[in-house]
Amino acid sequence: QSALTQPASVSGSPGQSITISCTGTSSDVGGYNYVSWYQQHPGKAPKLMIYDVSNRPSGVSNRFSGSKSGNTASLTISGLQAEDEADYYCSSYTSSSTGVVFGGGTKLTVL
Amino acid sequence: QLQLQESGSGLVKPSQTLSLTCAVSGGSISSGGYSWSWIRQPPGKGLEWIGYIYHSGSTYYNPSLKSRVTISVDRSKNQFSLKLSSVTAADTAVYYCASGPIYCTGGVCYSHGSFDYWGQGTLVTVSS
Repeated sequence: QSALTQPASVSGSPGQSITISCTGTSSDVGGYNYVSWYQQHPGKAPKLMIYDVSNRPSGVSNRFSGSKSGNTASLTISGLQAEDEADYYCSSYTSSSTGVVFGGGTKLTVL
Repeated sequence: QLQLQESGSGLVKPSQTLSLTCAVSGGSISSGGYSWSWIRQPPGKGLEWIGYIYHSGSTYYNPSLKSRVTISVDRSKNQFSLKLSSVTAADTAVYYCASGPIYCTGGVCYSHGSFDYWGQGTLVTVSS
């Protein structure tokens, strides 16, 4: 199974909105509404931000939203804040192994 | 609120077997509805799913690691374990245990890839 494709880096200024893409295939992102997004600060464990494409776990800010079109899922962060600076990873169920595949990660810099 | 805590050897020699344990508190590992997973992250790199086990004892593994991986559960100790054999320097990583809901249909269960509980991670270095 191949890793999902994410941009290596994105950046934005405080208050702006940014979008991170996650591209897979019909065996994973495109075939199922089972995409999750994680935020990881340096030296910390990942934190679940979005599950099943667009659902937010309890306690996650509504500034974080998810969507999907075809084989590409997206994470949008609105009203960027300094604490949003982190690495972001997408994941998806994959039917190729009945398992899970992660994206390569995107480093978000808040300018 | 589940809490997960990894433990095990932080240094493993090449060709030997890496062994880690994840202690679960705040809930029973025997209750249904959750996957018990291992995920790793090489230094400076991204996340890699290793595999998971769920309440029936069934396991799913990353195809690239399947020949070397075993995940098992010890219900008496409320913990689950990872064994990775024939390790090389490429297996050097922070290893996380994680848990998330599983979904069952027609007697088959699988994870959607969402993990809402994570351990803090443990660094395992493969070196002679």
